[in-house]
Amino acid sequence: GQNIDQPTEMTATEGAIVQINCTYQTSGFNGLFWYQQHAGEAPTFLSYNVLDGLEEKGRFSSFLSRSKGYSYLLLKELQMKDSASYLCAALKAAGNKLTFGGGTRVLVKP
Amino acid sequence: NAGVMQNPRHLVRRRGQEARLRCSPMKGHSHVYWYRQLPEEGLKFMVYLQKENIIDESGMPKERFSAEFPKEGPSILRIQQVVRGDSAAYFCASSLGQGSGGTEAFFGQGTRLTVV
Repeated sequence: GQNIDQPTEMTATEGAIVQINCTYQTSGFNGLFWYQQHAGEAPTFLSYNVLDGLEEKGRFSSFLSRSKGYSYLLLKELQMKDSASYLCAALKAAGNKLTFGGGTRVLVKP
Repeated sequence: NAGVMQNPRHLVRRRGQEARLRCSPMKGHSHVYWYRQLPEEGLKFMVYLQKENIIDESGMPKERFSAEFPKEGPSILRIQQVVRGDSAAYFCASSLGQGSGGTEAFFGQGTRLTVV
């Protein structure tokens, strides 16, 4: 089976940095996705890591350690519009099944 | 190139009625996922389909729920004899699928089902 854990909620100040951790346990792992979801809207793709290391994309970076079953999403120079839920999802190679964690709600305060 | 299209966006059903949720994947995508999201919760996997095949339905309730993705036309998630607990947002996602170099899943805007 698959088990994905991430914190429920985080609060940070505008302009600061926040790191959202995600741990996963899955057999046949084939990559880790991060999605952003604003309230009442569809999730939108942020990043995909399949190899160990850090992927940087503007203000957002994502890290993966396959040996530790661990990923994080780093949000820099936080803006008010970054207030949203951030969903970690693991892709299982066999069957191509994408399983999500419960999401981390990030609240950015002025 | 239109994204993933779901309809209706909002659906109200009385207890005991049937709900039919439609999802048209992105052009060229042959893999479709359905997820359910309760308020303040994450996405719960329901079913994964390819054209004319159910690949994984481990998240589907055993009764009242069914899904299909025919050769022609949209994928359909059908809920028979709806109950209040079925009220949720149902999201569809599509991808190119395994072996195609594109595993990213794109989401539709969701169908918000309310059972009264």
